[in-house]
Amino acid sequence: EVQLVQSGTEVKKPGESLKISCKTSGYTFSNYWITWVRQIPGKGLEWMARIDPSDSYTDYNPSFRGHVTISSDISLTTAYLQWASLKASDTAIYFCARLRQDRAAAGTSDFWGQGTLVTVSS
Amino acid sequence: DIQMTQSPSSLSASVGDRVTISCQANHGIDNFLNWYQQRPGKAPRLLIYLASRLETGVPSRFSGGGSGTHFSFTITSLQPEDVGTYYCQQYQDLPFTFGPGTKVDIK
Repeated sequence: EVQLVQSGTEVKKPGESLKISCKTSGYTFSNYWITWVRQIPGKGLEWMARIDPSDSYTDYNPSFRGHVTISSDISLTTAYLQWASLKASDTAIYFCARLRQDRAAAGTSDFWGQGTLVTVSS
Repeated sequence: DIQMTQSPSSLSASVGDRVTISCQANHGIDNFLNWYQQRPGKAPRLLIYLASRLETGVPSRFSGGGSGTHFSFTITSLQPEDVGTYYCQQYQDLPFTFGPGTKVDIK
């Protein structure tokens, strides 16, 4: 059974750093890209970035590039999303998801984590 | 970036009603379009990919169509468990972008 299990709720102050995780199981981690999606409470979904765990190649939404970093660890079958310096505007739920392999559905997220709520407040 | 729009932004319908949502892209995206359902407090769930292909395990009352810039999503007989927000998403070009969502509830 494919599962993506995310780390728990975080409460941080502006300027602090943070790394959240997405632990996967039930499939070959290196064969599928992982993507991250942001959802500000009460708002819609925003595509942030994706990573190919086989070689750590990444693509970022320009709206997020430079402010977040995505990474992965094949040995732990885990993907990460991190911030060096959080802002209040980073308050949101962050979802990881697995991307389909085949070209016809390469941007399709078929399995999702449960989401991690990040609250940034002074 | 490719901009996605959806209409209506919300709708209220009775159990058993046929519900249709429209999604439009400001550039052609062939048929590289997904539809997701997000129930309140839950993660999104894939329903339709490649504009019209039903994901495994998804009830057949859900369907999608269209190509190019205009797409549609239909629930043929609305059920109470269908309450939630529905999003289209293009994956023709990076960054992959979502529509603003259509909130569906029961009248």
